[in-house]
Amino acid sequence: GIQVEQSPPDLILQEGANSTLRCNFSDSVNNLQWFHQNPWGQLINLFYIPSGTKQNGRLSATTVATERYSLLYISSSQTTDSGVYFCAVRNTGGFKTIFGAGTRLFVKA
Amino acid sequence: ETGVTQTPRHLVMGMTNKKSLKCEQHLGHNAMYWYKQSAKKPLELMFVYSLEERVENNSVPSRFSPECPNSSHLFLHLHTLQPEDSALYLCASSQLTSGGQSSYNEQFFGPGTRLTVL
Repeated sequence: GIQVEQSPPDLILQEGANSTLRCNFSDSVNNLQWFHQNPWGQLINLFYIPSGTKQNGRLSATTVATERYSLLYISSSQTTDSGVYFCAVRNTGGFKTIFGAGTRLFVKA
Repeated sequence: ETGVTQTPRHLVMGMTNKKSLKCEQHLGHNAMYWYKQSAKKPLELMFVYSLEERVENNSVPSRFSPECPNSSHLFLHLHTLQPEDSALYLCASSQLTSGGQSSYNEQFFGPGTRLTVL
């Protein structure tokens, strides 16, 4: 089955710093999402981005489907950005979503 | 209510108990999912219902029994669970679009039920 790898596994930032999170996947996908899981467990949708680039405030994401990776950019990080960031993908024609292991981010004040 | 809701939010049960988790989506979607998130493990897909039919049962033990009475509601019936079943159980929904090839679009998650089995 499709493999999803996220890096780095852990990241500590000073408030105001920028960061890039990476998601590599082993097969072609037609569905890719980025989520932020808050300390209470809620998964918050950040981007639905099977290809191309999107921006939402301080966050932006780029997926290069032909090269099988996606990047999530966080600029001017804030303490409220802390939590776990997940990438999730789905094969073309499939319904099974595969999640990566996540990147645990801690932003220090 | 908006989005995807789950009840209860927390549940403690003994190994001989029977309980049910409930999920309701208010997004007009036609596909619903159960996921399990254990400590230090990636989210694992358990079940998928599409148009109220189960299309995926990801090798889940029979002590977990899903039910989808309509496109807005999804249940997970629990019986004779084990302590290792303690986890966060998340429900999600999405819209299935049909065409040349069916596609399941963006998923939206509920807040989860944190289950502890004693």
